[in-house]
Amino acid sequence: DAGVIQSPRHEVTEMGQEVTLRCKPISGHNSLFWYRQTMMRGLELLIYFNNNVPIDDSGMPEDRFSAKMPNASFSTLKIQPSEPRDSAVYFCASSLQGTIPYNEQFFGPGTRLTVL
Amino acid sequence: AQSVAQPEDQVNVAEGNPLTVKCTYSVSGNPYLFWYVQYPNRGLQFLLKYITGDNLVKGSYGFEAEFNKSQTSFHLKKPSALVSDSALYFCAVRDGGSNYQLIWGAGTKLIIKP
Repeated sequence: DAGVIQSPRHEVTEMGQEVTLRCKPISGHNSLFWYRQTMMRGLELLIYFNNNVPIDDSGMPEDRFSAKMPNASFSTLKIQPSEPRDSAVYFCASSLQGTIPYNEQFFGPGTRLTVL
Repeated sequence: AQSVAQPEDQVNVAEGNPLTVKCTYSVSGNPYLFWYVQYPNRGLQFLLKYITGDNLVKGSYGFEAEFNKSQTSFHLKKPSALVSDSALYFCAVRDGGSNYQLIWGAGTKLIIKP
């Protein structure tokens, strides 16, 4: 298995531009998480999908952020318009949640976003 | 309030010596505890977890962790450190009010010196 795949690995953009981050979870996993990592705030959960349905988006910073999961093998996180304070590493993670109370999450390599 | 604390920002250990990375937690209900490692410019990788059963949990790369309910701790250990163990280590605990939300520690940078 190739693991969780994220693209692009690096993104440099200018303030005001739209940014789209992409994620392909591990096949068979039914849960997908988007995280943001910064030095100041550490690892923050942005949104959680289960069976392609957004369950918890309380971590999404504001309306500029949106996420979709049109099918079990693809998700996007969009920032429009982007701002310098959005600069961070964005991780996608997937897991299999079921009768076992807690399966581990598998993380992608991350997308390092720089907004100038 | 539910929380995870990693009291040390950085731990320095000589190669070959035993290492310990500390983690304490506070959650409602039964704790489900995890350790993850992050190498530079990489995503987090799962090391081990405690759900129930034996208090000593063995994981990847020779790491183990001991669950101590009375001290609400879940310290990560390895008998003999390798330079390649140098990385950022995160402790996480399941939020008792959620079936998916993890509460993450701030991370501990482990530096193994040759």
